[in-house]
Amino acid sequence: AQSVAQPEDQVNVAEGNPLTVKCTYSVSGNPYLFWYVQYPNRGLQFLLKYITGDNLVKGSYGFEAEFNKSQTSFHLKKPSALVSDSALYFCAVRDTRAGSASKIIFGSGTRLSIRP
Amino acid sequence: EAEVAQSPRYKITEKSQAVAFWCDPISGHATLYWYRQILGQGPELLVQFQDESVVDDSQLPKDRFSAERLKGVDSTLKIQPAELGDSAMYLCASARLGEQYFGPGTRLTVT
Repeated sequence: AQSVAQPEDQVNVAEGNPLTVKCTYSVSGNPYLFWYVQYPNRGLQFLLKYITGDNLVKGSYGFEAEFNKSQTSFHLKKPSALVSDSALYFCAVRDTRAGSASKIIFGSGTRLSIRP
Repeated sequence: EAEVAQSPRYKITEKSQAVAFWCDPISGHATLYWYRQILGQGPELLVQFQDESVVDDSQLPKDRFSAERLKGVDSTLKIQPAELGDSAMYLCASARLGEQYFGPGTRLTVT
């Protein structure tokens, strides 16, 4: 079955330090992977995606993600965290099975908290 | 920059009442999605439209929920009757080239 897991409910990082938000996936076929961010009482904002090509994907607001096929992971990273990065982050995978209508399946989310 | 519009932003209703949400996708986006997001969880797909046609409503509780996109542009999601467990954020998204763009959502509270 297609699924995505975010093993950490919360990640706490000091401002200026590097951050990593973990994501692992399970898909049949080639994965289409996404990261979204959600601020309080707002919809989700697209950060970045991996479809094919370079394993290191660069996205919005200085975020990047590394696709690792052998570990079936797509961890979100940023070299230097900002307080304004504090939000809820969702990893997602597109269901590419025939007949799935390209449904996107979201993880349960990781709350990122950056302390000054 | 074009955005997905949703209204209302907040809705409080009593159980057993009817409630409706509206979504206007980004112009030219043929694919439209309705998601339900319970507090602390990721969004779950309720229904997906391609133009005016439903392509996936397998997770839509059809005894009380209905969705339409009559002209293939804006869409309405209705709940009748609302139940306490329907309290959640309802998100609309539209897509082009596989990339989904989300609206701000409607937060529903059923009392």
